[in-house]
Order: sequence, then C-alpha cells, then structure tokens
Amino acid sequence: DVKVTQSSRYLVKRTGEKVFLECVQDMDHENMFWYRQDPGLGLRLIYFSYDVKMKEKGDIPEGYSVSREKKERFSLILESASTNQTSMYLCASSRGRAGNTEAFFGQGTRLTVV
Amino acid sequence: AQSVTQLGSHVSVSEGALVLLRCNYSSSVPPYLFWYVQYPNQGLQLLLKYTTGATLVKGINGFEAEFKKSETSFHLTKPSAHMSDAAEYFCAVSKTGTYKYIFGTGTRLKVLA
Repeated sequence: DVKVTQSSRYLVKRTGEKVFLECVQDMDHENMFWYRQDPGLGLRLIYFSYDVKMKEKGDIPEGYSVSREKKERFSLILESASTNQTSMYLCASSRGRAGNTEAFFGQGTRLTVV
Repeated sequence: AQSVTQLGSHVSVSEGALVLLRCNYSSSVPPYLFWYVQYPNQGLQLLLKYTTGATLVKGINGFEAEFKKSETSFHLTKPSAHMSDAAEYFCAVSKTGTYKYIFGTGTRLKVLA
C-alpha cells in the first residue's frame, strides 16, 4: 500500500518559533509538494520539488522554505512562525512529468501558532 | 493559465438522492482532470481521473464523472447518496509537461437522513 507519511497530525507552536514539518513517501516518486488548506480557499501550493535538491516556489511561498536532501523526504520549514500560518498543511507526491498521474496525499498536519 | 471552478461550496442532498458536484476548468490544452475526496481531518484520496480515452470515468464508491470538452466541465455524480459520502470534494486539473496540479476551492457535501 502506497504511503505518504507526515510526521505530526497536530502541532502547537509559539509565535517566532522555527517549525519543521516532515514528509516521507515510499513510492520512489520524483515529485513532492507542500500545500496549505484553508476554509474557502481550497489547496494552495507553497513549494514543490521535482528532484532531489531541486525546488520551485508555488503560489504562496512567503514565510516558508523547503528542503529535499533525499528523494523520499521533503521538509517544510517555517522560519519564524506567525499566527497567520495557522492552517492545515498537506504533503503530496506524484510520479513523472506527463501530468496524467495522480498525487498521493499524507494525512495532513494541523498547525496552530499561538 | 489553467483554473478550476467548483460551483457551490456547500451541497446538501437527502440519503438516496442523486449527487451532482460541478467542476468547470479552463485550459489552453487538453487537460487531465481529477476528483479527490477528503474526510474530516484526513488527507485527500483519489476518486477518479480522466486522462485520455472514454469520457465517462468510473471511480471508487460508486462515483463517476463525464469529461465534456465543449462545456469545459467534469461534473461528479453518484446515483444514490449514502451517509458515508459526507465529505469535502475537490476537482483538480493538470496538463502534459507539468507536474503541478491546480485545485478548485472544494465542495462540502452534506447527506441528510
């Protein structure tokens, strides 16, 4: 059974903290994604990576960075957490660049910044 | 640029009634289209996808969708709603040569007993 695993389901962090969200996939997928989900806004792409050490900004990269040192792992970093980063964060992975394969999602991390 | 519009952020149906969730897309080239379902506090799970071939696509849990190029639509249907169908549904689009997906804003389905 294919899996995308996010390290935490729920996190509570303080304003100004550096926060790491970890994601691991076991499908040998080239592509990995971090999305943010907010009510009424759907899924918004923060960053994605199409290869090890490669990354591209998505639609809302401000306040975030990412790291992909190994193919199976993609980390999202909040350099200095703020209350407006309270949200559900979803990691996903997919195969190839043909566009016709689906993304597989993790269970999500609900982050609260206080 | 590609975009996805889901009409109706909330839809309520009675148990046993037809489910119809609407999705329209804009794309300058033939798109690939996906429907995902999200249960509370879960990630997204693929329901079905259209890539090429038959325009009527069948998915899991009795759902199906029809790709209509002339209407730029990919509406999701199920003949008879079940209580367990209550969830949020997302339509998404991608295209050849890209590995990015564009998601709609989602439709929350409520099933009434």
